[in-house]
Amino acid sequence: GAVVSQHPSWVICKSGTSVKIECRSLDFQATTMFWYRQFPKQSLMLMATSNEGSKATYEQGVEKDKFLINHASLTLSTLTVTSAHPEDSSFYICSANDRTGANEKLFFGSGTQLSVL
Amino acid sequence: AQSVTQLDSQVPVFEEAPVELRCNYSSSVSVYLFWYVQYPNQGLQLLLKYLSGSTLVESINGFEAEFNKSQTSFHLRKPSVHISDTAEYFCAVTPLNAGGTSYGKLTFGQGTILTVHP
Repeated sequence: GAVVSQHPSWVICKSGTSVKIECRSLDFQATTMFWYRQFPKQSLMLMATSNEGSKATYEQGVEKDKFLINHASLTLSTLTVTSAHPEDSSFYICSANDRTGANEKLFFGSGTQLSVL
Repeated sequence: AQSVTQLDSQVPVFEEAPVELRCNYSSSVSVYLFWYVQYPNQGLQLLLKYLSGSTLVESINGFEAEFNKSQTSFHLRKPSVHISDTAEYFCAVTPLNAGGTSYGKLTFGQGTILTVHP
């Protein structure tokens, strides 16, 4: 069945480093992908909606210049955390809609645990 | 806007015991409701969803959830749990819009860690 592949599964980096996270839809095309993050003991929060071929839509309070989203193809969206700091340490997870077939389905990646030292 | 509250952050139970994971939501518009499960070291998976029709929905592995509009609740239940049910469970909602549902924009609860002991 349809799967969303997210890479890497974990990253440890020094403060000031930029980190790129990839989200790929396998076996289906995703015109829209979503990026969430989850701080410890908190719920998943939507950060932004990634639209293929256009600019991402960011939720209130999310810095678009810090969290760069690129959705250059129908199967790949990337999230780049620029100049990461310890407060950016979090669990980032993407999701993608599979709109082929009669029923729309949503699939999640396995997530990326980012630890900024 | 929507909000989701999962009343228990952790629920420990013994194997073969019944379990209920509670979820309440608030929304100014109608919503669709979901339960997702995250097993250790795996991604989120859809467990079950309520879109319309019967307020009682079931999953293939024995879980069920009942949508109660008056109480704005969507509690998850299983009459007899297994060790393999140990996971974190998330309740989520998405607003109903005129053009159909956008499954992507979900509002999640804080999650409930279910630990099944032998």
